[in-house]
Amino acid sequence: QVQLVQSGAEVKKPGASVKVSCKASGYTFSKYYIEWVRQAPGQGLEWMGGNYAQKFQGRVTMTRDTSTSTVYMELNSLRSEDTAIYYCAREGISGGFFDYWGQGTLVTVSS
Amino acid sequence: IVLTQSPDTLSLSPGERATLSCRASQSVNSFYFAWYQQRPGQAPRLLIYGTSDRATGIPDRFSGSGSGTDFTLTISRLEPEDFAVYYCQQYDSSPRTFGQGTKLEIK
Repeated sequence: QVQLVQSGAEVKKPGASVKVSCKASGYTFSKYYIEWVRQAPGQGLEWMGGNYAQKFQGRVTMTRDTSTSTVYMELNSLRSEDTAIYYCAREGISGGFFDYWGQGTLVTVSS
Repeated sequence: IVLTQSPDTLSLSPGERATLSCRASQSVNSFYFAWYQQRPGQAPRLLIYGTSDRATGIPDRFSGSGSGTDFTLTISRLEPEDFAVYYCQQYDSSPRTFGQGTKLEIK
């Protein structure tokens, strides 16, 4: 069965960086994209990918390691407003929607 | 594209029919519209894609419809596990956007 397993919660100070991992299993990794969606406390969902990455002013980097079926999301120069649950999600085969999600990683930015 | 869901909160009883709406700020190709369910403390779960196609394992009491700027998620007979927050999403244009959510609560 398809599974996306994310790394554990992080607490960071403003200005620091965080790198969240997402390990995929149960399907052919190379055939699907994995994207990132975040959710601030008590708020809605926000896609972090594609051209929307411009919103993060170059602070976000997404990489993938096909040898371990793992994708990474690194966010630099953290601000308090980056406090959120970060989800990885597999993009459906016909594109655009997210058919499987990781369990989420809470990133807390606090001095 | 801004998606506006209504109502913000919907209070119903188990067994009743739920109708959730999502309005887009501009026309969305119906091939590129989805709905998700999020239970407290859990990740979102895909319910519907392509406006009306149910995702794997989703019961047939969930159905989607709509076109242009107006889309609807209908739950024909509410089960206790259906009380959650529901989000619509468009993936017709970038950035992919979500609605603000509708909370379906037990009356």
